[in-house]
Amino acid sequence: DTGVSQNPRHKITKRGQNVTFRCDPISEHNRLYWYRQTLGQGPEFLTYFQNEAQLEKSRLLSDRFSAERPKGSFSTLEIQRTEQGDSAMYLCASFKSRAGGMQETQYFGPGTRLLVL
Amino acid sequence: DQQVKQNSPSLSVQEGRISILNCDYTNSMFDYFLWYKKYPAEGPTFLISISSIKDKNEDGRFTVFLNKSAKHLSLHIVPSQPGDSAVYFCAASRGYNQGGKLIFGQGTELSVKP
Repeated sequence: DTGVSQNPRHKITKRGQNVTFRCDPISEHNRLYWYRQTLGQGPEFLTYFQNEAQLEKSRLLSDRFSAERPKGSFSTLEIQRTEQGDSAMYLCASFKSRAGGMQETQYFGPGTRLLVL
Repeated sequence: DQQVKQNSPSLSVQEGRISILNCDYTNSMFDYFLWYKKYPAEGPTFLISISSIKDKNEDGRFTVFLNKSAKHLSLHIVPSQPGDSAVYFCAASRGYNQGGKLIFGQGTELSVKP
């Protein structure tokens, strides 16, 4: 169990460019979540996957955002035509659902900090 | 529509004393609540949680209290240590074990002074 990893840790881009972030969850965690955190706010939910299926998307996720989890392992989050308002910390979390109502924890990665100039 | 609110942006406490962080929520359907701790440039780290069927959960120096009638939860840290200085987020979920997303408060920055 090496924890949730995210790459890159930092990304600076110019407005209008496309960016892609990667998240590698804890192995055997079937659920993967993306959140976004801006300065002075708590993380806000963007989307989540159970295995390779994207089950929920927030209204925050405009059509410039797309997320995939092709084989139910790692996930990518792509932002097309970036805008300055996209500048934020993008956080990934993974979770293992258990039968019988046992509680688990969403484990967060270190995040990718995006700055759009 | 802020469903989870932490009304104190910051809190300063002397080492060895109790820290009390507060959180209010509006959605009575939330069934699970969590506290996360966050250092700069790191992701949130899980601290402690509580199910809506309980009113208290303890783990070492950390205790979470849930008052469902008031839609209020609090985190008590006793005794506070300088290493506890961080931003604390409360989070709530509906259907947590079925994959429910977390709704976070805005965070409270705790500073524990030696």
